[in-house]
Amino acid sequence: EAGVAQSPRYKIIEKRQSVAFWCNPISGHATLYWYQQILGQGPKLLIQFQNNGVVDDSQLPKDRFSAERLKGVDSTLKIQPAKLEDSAVYLCASSLDRRRETQYFGPGTRLLVL
Amino acid sequence: AQTVTQSQPEMSVQEAETVTLSCTYDTSESDYYLFWYKQPPSRQMILVIRQEAYKQQNATENRFSVNFQKAAKSFSLKISDSQLGDAAMYFCAYRRHSGTYKYIFGTGTRLKVLA
Repeated sequence: EAGVAQSPRYKIIEKRQSVAFWCNPISGHATLYWYQQILGQGPKLLIQFQNNGVVDDSQLPKDRFSAERLKGVDSTLKIQPAKLEDSAVYLCASSLDRRRETQYFGPGTRLLVL
Repeated sequence: AQTVTQSQPEMSVQEAETVTLSCTYDTSESDYYLFWYKQPPSRQMILVIRQEAYKQQNATENRFSVNFQKAAKSFSLKISDSQLGDAAMYFCAYRRHSGTYKYIFGTGTRLKVLA
């Protein structure tokens, strides 16, 4: 079984630039999560999708972050414009459905904003 | 609001010895899940062990076991016969049994295994 795929693995941009991350969950997984993990901290949930609908985006900075999962499969997370404090690892995870407690994580995208 | 606290930023253990990582949490819910996740350096996070709050029996997975104290809101992870491959960041996490099923993670404990 293929795991959660993310790309790119690393990205370096300058502040005020835009960046997008891509995630392909495990086949058949209805729930998809995006987390932000700042160095030295635990992952913080940014947004949770159930199929192509948003379940929780209460911690997503909506003035600069956006995410979509149009066909209920893969997802993109965008930052526009980026700030220095956005430097972090962005983790994608998926689960069979949101009631199933086991999440499977991707390798993450490490973002550095200069 | 629910919170998860890991008070040990870093721990060390000799190979083959036993180590316990601490986690406390705060919630007003009675039904929830607790997890320990392992994040090796530059590698993806994987589930180590999980505990359902309604189960009194402590979960075990091979060399990994938990001490779940519901009244004290404590959830510690014991690693027996530590191996070099156990070196990683360990995160404690909480999830409600209903609602948005949102996960809340602690700040992590870095475990070093000494040969």
